[in-house]
This record gives sequence, C-alpha cells and structure tokens, in this order.
Amino acid sequence: IAGITQAPTSQILAAGRRMTLRCTQDMRHNAMYWYRQDLGLGLRLIHYSNTAGTTGKGEVPDGYSVSRANTDDFPLTLASAVPSQTSVYFCASRDTDRAGELFFGEGSRLTVL
Amino acid sequence: KNQVEQSPQSLIILEGKNCTLQCNYTVSPFSNLRWYKQDTGRGPVSLTIMTFSENTKSNGRYTATLDADTKQSSLHITASQLSDSASYICVVSERNYGGATNKLIFGTGTLLAVQP
Repeated sequence: IAGITQAPTSQILAAGRRMTLRCTQDMRHNAMYWYRQDLGLGLRLIHYSNTAGTTGKGEVPDGYSVSRANTDDFPLTLASAVPSQTSVYFCASRDTDRAGELFFGEGSRLTVL
Repeated sequence: KNQVEQSPQSLIILEGKNCTLQCNYTVSPFSNLRWYKQDTGRGPVSLTIMTFSENTKSNGRYTATLDADTKQSSLHITASQLSDSASYICVVSERNYGGATNKLIFGTGTLLAVQP
C-alpha cells in the first residue's frame, strides 16, 4: 500500500538520550515535512525538505535535526531529548505542484521523562 | 502575520444532525485551502481543496465553501454519523511566486464528537 511509514509508533525515552524517528515514503514526492502536534497548538512545522539533498527550518526547529539523503527517507533526530519534546510527531509528504495534497504518516508518540 | 483561525474549538452533536465548522484566514497571497479530517490516533487525511475561483465543493456528506473576499471557509457535514467524530483541520496555502513550494498555515482544528 502506497503511503508514508513512520517508526516507531510510540516510544518512552529518558531525558538526555538521543532518538531518531524514521519516515519513509513510496510516492516519489519531492517535498517532505516533520510536524509536532500538541494539544491546543495544532500541527507545527519542525523541519522540511523540498527535494533530496536540501533541508530547511520550520517554526520550531530547536533541538531537532533532519537529513534527506534520498527521495524516500526523511529521519528526524533529537540529539539530547528534553521533556518539552514530548509530543506526537507526524511525517508528511507532497508533490511540489502548488495545489499538492499533504499525505501524513500515522504518527510517532514520543514521551520524554 | 498570516493566520488561520477555526471555530468552534469543539462541538458535540447528535447522530443524524448537521453541523458547520468555520475557518477564517488572513493568508495573503492566497493559493488554496484544504480541509483535513484527523481521526483519533491517526494522521490527517485531506477532504477537500478550494482554490480562489471555487465557492463550493462537495465530498459525499461533506461540503466546503469559500468566500475569498471575506477570507472565510466553512465545512458543512450533513446527516452526521458516529464515524464523523474527529478533528477537522483547515490548512491555507500561501502562494509563493518565487517557484518554491507554497507555505502552509494550519488552523488548530475543531474537535467534533458525534453522539448516538
């Protein structure tokens, strides 16, 4: 089934630990995104990539890093997790045409203790 | 600042009833507006897309309207079902004439609960 796959589905992590959330898409979309979703705040953009080899900062990039070595994969890394990074993380992708629909993964629920 | 505001924040209705969700935006220049449905524990899924020239678009029991002059959109749900219980998110795309991918501005969503 075509779409976006995120892993892990959920994770409990000790503060200070390093964590990588994985995201893979098989739709050959150029653009990929990482969002975090917190109650009352909606979806906020962390980092994005308009095409393989390029990345950019979103609204809340601090404490996160991304890479885009190829079209399909877009991992999000927390170098040293803090409790404020407890959230649900969604990866998304879309065609770069201007009306492109966003396709979301099912989310990764991260708890930092 | 480009913003998207949704109302109400939450809504409870009885199964079979109709409801209307509102989205007001200040995004300019405007490219398009999408409504997404997000079931609990799942990722959002697109319901409709509205461009500048479109006033109304339907997807089954969902009908979206757009007034580009007043910068308002609504999502009307007819004959609600229990499966309509979800968060509905309005996303407005800002047109980027420089050729880069359009910026997306998200509303915080309306949480709809349909009760039997």
